[in-house]
Amino acid sequence: DSGVTQTPKHLITATGQRVTLRCSPRSGDLSVYWYQQSLDQGLQFLIQYYNGEERAKGNILERFSAQQFPDLHSELNLSSLELGDSALYFCASSPKPTSGPSYEQYFGPGTRLTVT
Amino acid sequence: LAKTTQPISMDSYEGQEVNITCSHNNIATNDYITWYQQFPSQGPRFIIQGYKTKVTNEVASLFIPADRKSSTLSLPRVSLSDTAVYYCLVVPGNTGFQKLVFGTGTRLLVSP
Repeated sequence: DSGVTQTPKHLITATGQRVTLRCSPRSGDLSVYWYQQSLDQGLQFLIQYYNGEERAKGNILERFSAQQFPDLHSELNLSSLELGDSALYFCASSPKPTSGPSYEQYFGPGTRLTVT
Repeated sequence: LAKTTQPISMDSYEGQEVNITCSHNNIATNDYITWYQQFPSQGPRFIIQGYKTKVTNEVASLFIPADRKSSTLSLPRVSLSDTAVYYCLVVPGNTGFQKLVFGTGTRLLVSP
């Protein structure tokens, strides 16, 4: 158990719909990352937040948005869903390094999204 | 970001040592090397990171030669539960954030 929680575990929805995925980072971790893993694209970085502010953006579609709230949990909103958005969505968190750089991210169990 | 190349798959038997080599010819001076493990339908799990020479933890060792153009993850005495995908990543050390760029990884199959 990484300490990162994600809900829901599974989500089945129809094309054109909107869904919200939720992530709670490990206690004390200020950084939250979202990744998408699909069979054809592999594991791809979407977006990072640090203490409520967007820090980095990856291959995130304009139909997707995210935010990090004051209590540090994060939500990933996916709208106008297409069949190709079916994937595993992972959230990860990391602590602020205390001595030297650290690339240890703690991944949650993921949300499996199926768009029909 | 430096491109990484690693074998698509490897086979081993229980109790053997497994070495997975990753090539990263264009690694920059400030880049670090990190390895992650992923089981099916689970999130990746950090294994080890290093900058140069050798790093060892309770799970694995990481060997990085002086030119840093490659690295080798060594898993001692693998068991069936080590069957997973192993990702080698090169991460910029001076960007202030930790975006991870995953490649295709090496699929390790451990047999009895």
